[in-house]
Amino acid sequence: AQSVTQLDSHVSVSEGTPVLLRCNYSSSYSPSLFWYVQHPNKGLQLLLKYTSAATLVKGINGFEAEFKKSETSFHLTKPSAHMSDAAEYFCVVIDMDSSYKLIFGSGTRLLVRP
Amino acid sequence: NAGVMQNPRHLVRRRGQEARLRCSPMKGHSHVYWYRQLPEEGLKFMVYLQKENIIDESGMPKERFSAEFPKEGPSILRIQQVVRGDSAAYFCASSPQRQSLQETQYFGPGTRLLVL
Repeated sequence: AQSVTQLDSHVSVSEGTPVLLRCNYSSSYSPSLFWYVQHPNKGLQLLLKYTSAATLVKGINGFEAEFKKSETSFHLTKPSAHMSDAAEYFCVVIDMDSSYKLIFGSGTRLLVRP
Repeated sequence: NAGVMQNPRHLVRRRGQEARLRCSPMKGHSHVYWYRQLPEEGLKFMVYLQKENIIDESGMPKERFSAEFPKEGPSILRIQQVVRGDSAAYFCASSPQRQSLQETQYFGPGTRLLVL
């Protein structure tokens, strides 16, 4: 079975400082992992995905994530936070045992202080 | 190419009424997934459909909930005799073919259901 755990329910940073959103995964296979972002009362937008190619994945809006098998982690980072980054972020893994449906983490709410 | 469309965006129902949520996948996509997001939680899988077939409904409540994806027209998620606990955001996602490690699911804006 696959699962993801987001280690922080809330993260608060100042504008212009780095962002780190943590995600650990559990999988019997080489996983496919995603980060999605959800702005308030909006749908979900794909930030980036890892599908066993390069371990450092670059996404939209300056975000990137590094797949570390030894640590079973897929943390999301951004060098400099912008006010528009304030949103809910979900780490997601594909359930390869069943229908390839998406399994979501519980989410991390990113607050950006001016 | 229009994205995934969902309507209505907001739906208010009284307890005991029926709710019908519609999802039009992206053009060329024949696979649809429905997810539910309860307040302050992540999304949970409900059902996976292909045209005229339910592939996986393991996440659907056993009673009152049903889904279809007819040959023509949108996918419909139907909730009969709604209760307050059904209040949530319901998201539809589509993909062009059977989901694989390489395919991405594209999400609609969601329908926010409020049961009074």
